[in-house]
Parts: sequence; C-alpha cells; structure tokens
Amino acid sequence: DTAVSQTPKYLVTQMGNDKSIKCEQNLGHDTMYWYKQDSKKFLKIMFSYNNKELIINETVPNRFSPKSPDKAHLNLHINSLELGDSAVYFCASSQSSSNSPLHFGNGTRLTVT
Amino acid sequence: QKEVEQNSGPLSVPEGAIASLNCTYSDRGSQSFFWYRQYSGKSPELIMSIYSNGDKEDGRFTAQLNKASQYVSLLIRDSQPSDSATYLCAVFGAAGNKLTFGGGTRVLVKP
Repeated sequence: DTAVSQTPKYLVTQMGNDKSIKCEQNLGHDTMYWYKQDSKKFLKIMFSYNNKELIINETVPNRFSPKSPDKAHLNLHINSLELGDSAVYFCASSQSSSNSPLHFGNGTRLTVT
Repeated sequence: QKEVEQNSGPLSVPEGAIASLNCTYSDRGSQSFFWYRQYSGKSPELIMSIYSNGDKEDGRFTAQLNKASQYVSLLIRDSQPSDSATYLCAVFGAAGNKLTFGGGTRVLVKP
C-alpha cells in the first residue's frame, strides 16, 4: 500500500530514557515532517526535511534530534525523556516543500511515566 | 494572536443539516489552505484544499476562501453521524514551507 508508515504505534517508557520513532513514505514525496499533537489536540510542527536537508526546526528542545537517511525516511530520536514529552507524534510527507497538502502517518502515542 | 484560529466547539448539528465551520489566519501572504478531518485516535485526513478566492465544492463539502478578510470556511451539507469528528484548518504561510494548524473544531452530528 502507498502510505506514510511510522513505528511504533505505542511507546510507553520511563523518564530519562532514550527512544526513537521511525517513519517511511512510499509516495515519492521529497518533503517530510514531524508534528506533535498534545493532550489538547493542538497539532504543532517540529521539523521538516526536504530531500534530506533540514528546512524547518521549530523551537524544540535539543533532546529531539531528527535524522533523514534518504528522502523516504525521517526518524526522530528523543533523549532524556520527560513527562511533558507525552503526546502523539505524527510523521507526514508532501510532494514538495511549497504549498502541497500533507499526508499523515497513523501516529505514535508516546507515554512517559 | 494565534496564526490560525478556529472555534473549538463542539458544534452540534442535527442529522441532515448544514454544519458551518470557520477559520481565520494572520499571515496575509498565505496562499494555500486545507481542511483536515480527524477522528478520535486517528490521524488527520485531507478533505479539501483551496487556493483561490471563492467557493470550491467536493461532494457534500464546500470550502470558501476570502483572502481579503483572511477567512476560510467549510460547509458540510446533509450532515451525517459519520461526520462527527474534529475538523482542522491548516494554512501554508507566505514562505510556503510550513503548514500551520488551527486548534480544530469538534463537530457532533446527532441522529
């Protein structure tokens, strides 16, 4: 199936741990994103990559480090997890970096205890 | 002022009625506008895109854009219980590289 897929779907971990979320798209898009949706359902952009280059880096703690090994993959590594990091993290992709709609993955629900 | 603003709702409409959702944005140079639907526990799903002033219809959905007033709306005709969801307005800023979402409007369609 053509899609944006991310793993894992659920992630439960303790404070201070390090975890990664993986994302892959087979839509042939060249721009990928990470969004965070908090408990109030507000969807906020974190990072955007275009052809493996970082083009958007919002005000995100440097404990969050994205990596794009190629334009079909964008991973998110989080160090020293905190309670406030609990949220749903969505990966998305679009056909170009300008004005094309985003297609979202199914989300990763991260719970930090 | 938030970049993209929506009433949080819930907007309660009877089945078969028209649901009207509104969204305002602050970046006057914005060029692309989208409506996404998000069911509880699911990912946002694109339902409409609009780029020019005026109306755009797709099935039971109509998007309306007024760039002078910095206003975009979504009408859902013949609302069905399956339309009950949160509707997210999203706007690409003038730079065209960042899609900013409103807080969403929760719609409840009652049979």
